[in-house]
Amino acid sequence: DTEVTQTPKHLVMGMTNKKSLKCEQHMGHRAMYWYKQKAKKPPELMFVYSYEKLSINESVPSRFSPECPNSSLLNLHLHALQPEDSALYLCASSDRGHDTGELFFGEGSRLTVL
Amino acid sequence: DQQVKQNSPSLSVQEGRISILNCDYTNSMFDYFLWYKKYPAEGPTFLISISSIKDKNEDGRFTVFLNKSAKHLSLHIVPSQPGDSAVYFCAAISNSGYALNFGKGTSLLVTP
Repeated sequence: DTEVTQTPKHLVMGMTNKKSLKCEQHMGHRAMYWYKQKAKKPPELMFVYSYEKLSINESVPSRFSPECPNSSLLNLHLHALQPEDSALYLCASSDRGHDTGELFFGEGSRLTVL
Repeated sequence: DQQVKQNSPSLSVQEGRISILNCDYTNSMFDYFLWYKKYPAEGPTFLISISSIKDKNEDGRFTVFLNKSAKHLSLHIVPSQPGDSAVYFCAAISNSGYALNFGKGTSLLVTP
């Protein structure tokens, strides 16, 4: 199994809603990531979890709250988002022992904030 | 500060010809360089990588060349196929870091 699975694929929410994005991998990878990608831009790193601990937070607003319940799961809790937060949210994982540094990306969750 | 740069936002190539996508970087501490391919509304998929100790890596139709002295790498696709039409991101990572540094991407269009 070389997949990173993200749910939901599409999410529409209002600015007062609370929702969550979910990510799952069963490759035994110890690092998991959230990236945000706007149209025609490169992915931007948001958070990195290493061995289930938050190791990098790229100055992301607190309305985005990551959670890593176990080594296979990564959540992104969303609350009081703004329309400009509409984007494709990508989850990725990597095996830091892997010598290429390759990240495996999920297909993304397309978020629209109304 | 953009440490990985792809200066060509788009490239159009005829089917069967060679596609050459270029990438420059500024951080000499990068240990691995990777190319990702992205179709619209999908996550990036890994294509090919190269270690900083090598100057060439080949995988089927895809070859990546690394020129460390020039801090430049390129992806060659030969022969190009219409299914290769996508956005290609160059990325780099150091052994001490976790995060990929992405370029802004080059949109490749392969025409029949």
